[in-house]
Amino acid sequence: GENVEQHPSTLSVQEGDSAVIKCTYSDSASNYFPWYKQELGKRPQLIIDIRSNVGEKKDQRIAVTLNKTAKHFSLHITETQPEDSAVYFCAASTGRNYQLIWGAGTKLIIKP
Amino acid sequence: SAVISQKPSRDICQRGTSLTIQCQVDSQVTMMFWYRQQPGQSLTLIATANQGSEATYESGFVIDKFPISRPNLTFSTLTVSNMSPEDSSIYLCSVSSGTWNTEAFFGQGTRLTVV
Repeated sequence: GENVEQHPSTLSVQEGDSAVIKCTYSDSASNYFPWYKQELGKRPQLIIDIRSNVGEKKDQRIAVTLNKTAKHFSLHITETQPEDSAVYFCAASTGRNYQLIWGAGTKLIIKP
Repeated sequence: SAVISQKPSRDICQRGTSLTIQCQVDSQVTMMFWYRQQPGQSLTLIATANQGSEATYESGFVIDKFPISRPNLTFSTLTVSNMSPEDSSIYLCSVSSGTWNTEAFFGQGTRLTVV
């Protein structure tokens, strides 16, 4: 079945610097790739998503890129701020049963 | 969007007892999902609940341990039965509107501690 690997498990960056989190997926039929942010004690919330018919999507300081050939996608956060500190999860879906296959998560730490 | 009310937010239970978690959605949704999340870990899907049919369980989860009800398109319950300390975790319900690959929304979670 589908498998999603996420790296790194922990990422510490200086405030104002950029952060990049990478995910790879195994099922070439995957066509939807969301990213979720989960703050401590809170529920996961969608921050950005991308479908397989586009290669890149931006929303202010956040961008996601998709390489279908290599079967990987990445989250880019620029000009990081303290409120970006959280756990970020990538996911992939083929659309079957509307299920999301989740990555293991990345704890992002923004150092002041 | 969908707003999900999940109850209880937390509970401390004695081993051997059962706890039922409720999720109420503010709109009709096709798919509801129940997840378990250990602290610092990813989301593990327990089962998918569709209205009018039996829930579909993932490997490692069985109906006798985690019975699910889905009486209508806005409500579902998950019961954690015959609890042991290993069941201590955060349980989350999630919904999808059912349109192809749309955003998943989550309840606020139930933090369960079994003593």
